[in-house]
Amino acid sequence: DGGITQSPKYLFRKEGQNVTLSCEQNLNHDAMYWYRQDPGQGLRLIYYSQIVNDFQKGDIAEGYSVSREKKESFPLTVTSAQKNPTAFYLCASTLDPSNQPQHFGDGTRLSIL
Amino acid sequence: AQSVAQPEDQVNVAEGNPLTVKCTYSVSGNPYLFWYVQYPNRGLQFLLKYITGDNLVKGSYGFEAEFNKSQTSFHLKKPSALVSDSALYFCAVRDLGSSASKIIFGSGTRLSIRP
Repeated sequence: DGGITQSPKYLFRKEGQNVTLSCEQNLNHDAMYWYRQDPGQGLRLIYYSQIVNDFQKGDIAEGYSVSREKKESFPLTVTSAQKNPTAFYLCASTLDPSNQPQHFGDGTRLSIL
Repeated sequence: AQSVAQPEDQVNVAEGNPLTVKCTYSVSGNPYLFWYVQYPNRGLQFLLKYITGDNLVKGSYGFEAEFNKSQTSFHLKKPSALVSDSALYFCAVRDLGSSASKIIFGSGTRLSIRP
């Protein structure tokens, strides 16, 4: 079955440490997204990519970085510059951003040790 | 600027009763609207969308939504609620501003169905 796989499901970060969240899709979608979800605040867009080797900052990109070297992969790095990284991170993709829904992975919950 | 609002943080309904989860939007052109559902510790699942055409849109799990242009609303409805419908529901609108690739999500409404 096609879908989006996020790993790990739970991740713990020490102070000053960078961590990378994995997102892989086998849906052959060009567009991919990273969102952060905090309680009561809905989803906020961190970064998105419309095509391989191209990505744009979303609304809350500070303290995060991404790469898009392959169509199926869009990893997110949470750097030490992100002072409040504890959140639920969701990856999504879509076949056509103009009129098709986004498909989501099951998320990674990041906590600070 | 495009925006979407879900005015209720929580909606409580008895099983078997009809349910409505409210959503209003603000866009400069024709709206592309979506509803998603999220179960605990899971990603969002697509329920239905409105692009154009019939104002009543039918989706997954017996849900439907009514597009009302004059009231700029897109309320989610179901004739008879199930306990298993208890979840977090998000309304979303395609961002027609800086990039059509982006979607703006509402803050979510927690639906609780009591047996």
